[in-house]
Amino acid sequence: QKEVEQNSGPLSVPEGAIASLNCTYSDRGSQSFFWYRQYSGKSPELIMFIYSNGDKEDGRFTAQLNKASQYVSLLIRDSQPSDSATYLCAVVLYNNNDMRFGAGTRLTVKP
Amino acid sequence: GAVVSQHPSWVICKSGTSVKIECRSLDFQATTMFWYRQFPKQSLMLMATSNEGSKATYEQGVEKDKFLINHASLTLSTLTVTSAHPEDSSFYICSAPLGGANQPQHFGDGTRLSIL
Repeated sequence: QKEVEQNSGPLSVPEGAIASLNCTYSDRGSQSFFWYRQYSGKSPELIMFIYSNGDKEDGRFTAQLNKASQYVSLLIRDSQPSDSATYLCAVVLYNNNDMRFGAGTRLTVKP
Repeated sequence: GAVVSQHPSWVICKSGTSVKIECRSLDFQATTMFWYRQFPKQSLMLMATSNEGSKATYEQGVEKDKFLINHASLTLSTLTVTSAHPEDSSFYICSAPLGGANQPQHFGDGTRLSIL
């Protein structure tokens, strides 16, 4: 099992819809979880981080964490074409504090 | 503004050349920095962890003699690709955590390396 797994997509949603991005992880002891956005040809940029179970909202973005299910998700409300990018889920491993990235989910928001 | 600066942005050079990439933390100290490589349409792959004042920790399959890492100060890590060949052409990105290991990593803008 990979340490961090994401559906590679592509995920396509119409403008204004909610985009839901999912991520599962294998290290049950992990405590820190991050979502990054990467535009083509650019480096990743941090969107959100979450440490506690439940939801964390920041503008149009909501991160959801369920440690019992080892699942973290990112919801993007009112999706815009400018949200079209690859979204990377990252998890800090408990045993060595290394950050591991998922392969990323490519999101396309169609006007 | 940027918290991690990476230089250069682009490098195009002949096969056999050694290329040095710099990664600087701006306005904060980074005892640990990370070097990633990303091939087109592939995921981010950790190459090595750069540790200030000690040897870097390389991921399995990454040649330490090929990819030399130096972290001589609390704000600067360098990656040198020695005797680069076309298969080394890739997007190299550094990052540093602003705070402890569980804090978000901030990425440099990346270096696109093309070996002819």
